[in-house]
Amino acid sequence: DIQMTQSPSTLSASIGDRVTITCRASQSISIWLAWYQQKPGKAPKLLIYMASNLETGVPSRFSGSGSGTEFTLTISSLQPDDFATYYCQQYQSFYRTFGQGTKVEVK
Amino acid sequence: EVQLLESGGGLVQPGGSLRLSCAASGFTLSGYTVNWVRQAPGRGLEWVSLIRGDNGDTYYADSVKGRFTISRDSSRSTVYLQLNSLRAEDTAVYYCAKDRPNVLAEFWGQGTLVTVSS
Repeated sequence: DIQMTQSPSTLSASIGDRVTITCRASQSISIWLAWYQQKPGKAPKLLIYMASNLETGVPSRFSGSGSGTEFTLTISSLQPDDFATYYCQQYQSFYRTFGQGTKVEVK
Repeated sequence: EVQLLESGGGLVQPGGSLRLSCAASGFTLSGYTVNWVRQAPGRGLEWVSLIRGDNGDTYYADSVKGRFTISRDSSRSTVYLQLNSLRAEDTAVYYCAKDRPNVLAEFWGQGTLVTVSS
């Protein structure tokens, strides 16, 4: 199975900060990567698909990049609503795997 | 409007069984892949299983293979996840999530809690 590794596990940041989260795949997944945001007690919300495509309704401060084995999620200017946990997930294989998550917390 | 509504969770003893349902509305099940994803208390997301919309092929995570079975009933617009031989480590909120072409898990249900404990 394809292993996904996210870093960091926790990130402390302030409003207005530029935030970058990295996701690495154990083998090439081309651009078949999604990013989600999850808040406590809620279902995950899709932010980015095919590595860099912004889902409809997601603010433009979110962006994704990368291909192959290395990917990033960037929040250009952190807003109060963005404090949450973020997950990547690969779908190059039908055996879809998640990264372990990155919690973005208040600095 | 697309809706996914999970049900069937509850408290079950180790070794027991449970059937989860994901009732879909606003789209045709046979046209879209549906996933089950779980989240143990305080832990991250774990993909569990999927059923393809086009041909009904099914796939499972190694952690549940041979114990869980995914199926669908198009007449009832419902996807099921049969959980057998349950273990304490299967305790989690179980979500169903719908794909669209080239897009993974665009829409999620609210989840149903499964607790495995004696």
